[in-house]
Amino acid sequence: NAGVTQTPKFQVLKTGQSMTLQCAQDMNHNSMYWYRQDPGMGLRLIYYSASEGTTDKGEVPNGYNVSRLNKREFSLRLESAAPSQTSVYFCASSEQAVNEQFFGPGTRLTVL
Amino acid sequence: RKEVEQDPGPFNVPEGATVAFNCTYSNSASQSFFWYRQDCRKEPKLLMSVYSSGNEDGRFTAQLNRASQYISLLIRDSKLSDSATYLCVVNMGGYQKVTFGIGTKLQVIP
Repeated sequence: NAGVTQTPKFQVLKTGQSMTLQCAQDMNHNSMYWYRQDPGMGLRLIYYSASEGTTDKGEVPNGYNVSRLNKREFSLRLESAAPSQTSVYFCASSEQAVNEQFFGPGTRLTVL
Repeated sequence: RKEVEQDPGPFNVPEGATVAFNCTYSNSASQSFFWYRQDCRKEPKLLMSVYSSGNEDGRFTAQLNRASQYISLLIRDSKLSDSATYLCVVNMGGYQKVTFGIGTKLQVIP
């Protein structure tokens, strides 16, 4: 089992460009999450999907959109990247809300 | 008061030492608790869940004190490979109610 996979691992964008971060899990989990991690701050939830077919905003959703393509896949889109979106992005999944989450390896994004 | 607070450290300890970290939380309705380990530039990995009765996994012991609203992680006989950042995670029962601490950095010195 691969667990949670993310692509790409690294990305450099110019301000205003768009991109989609991909995430997939093979653990048959119901719930999936997108976080960003910045120096000196804890992981912050961008969006989550409690189950296939549903998505909801987290703590810092502005500038992002998500798609829960099927039970396995949950993508994060930046429509018009800004330097403030320079961060490390982690995807995670869990069986339910109260259960432990399992993380992908992360995407290191730099916006110039 | 922050929802979840951790001392960021760093904690520099010699090999073989015992070290303990605490993590305080503000919401008494919190339902589940976890410790994660994060190596530099890597993803967080689950170290252990924290149960009301406490739990132990080898050299690691986690405890929950609901009265004082904190969880703890004890590492005995520290190894160089224990050097990492330890994140506490508190779940207040909903998808939007999972809060990660900023982590405590541990450096084990030869």
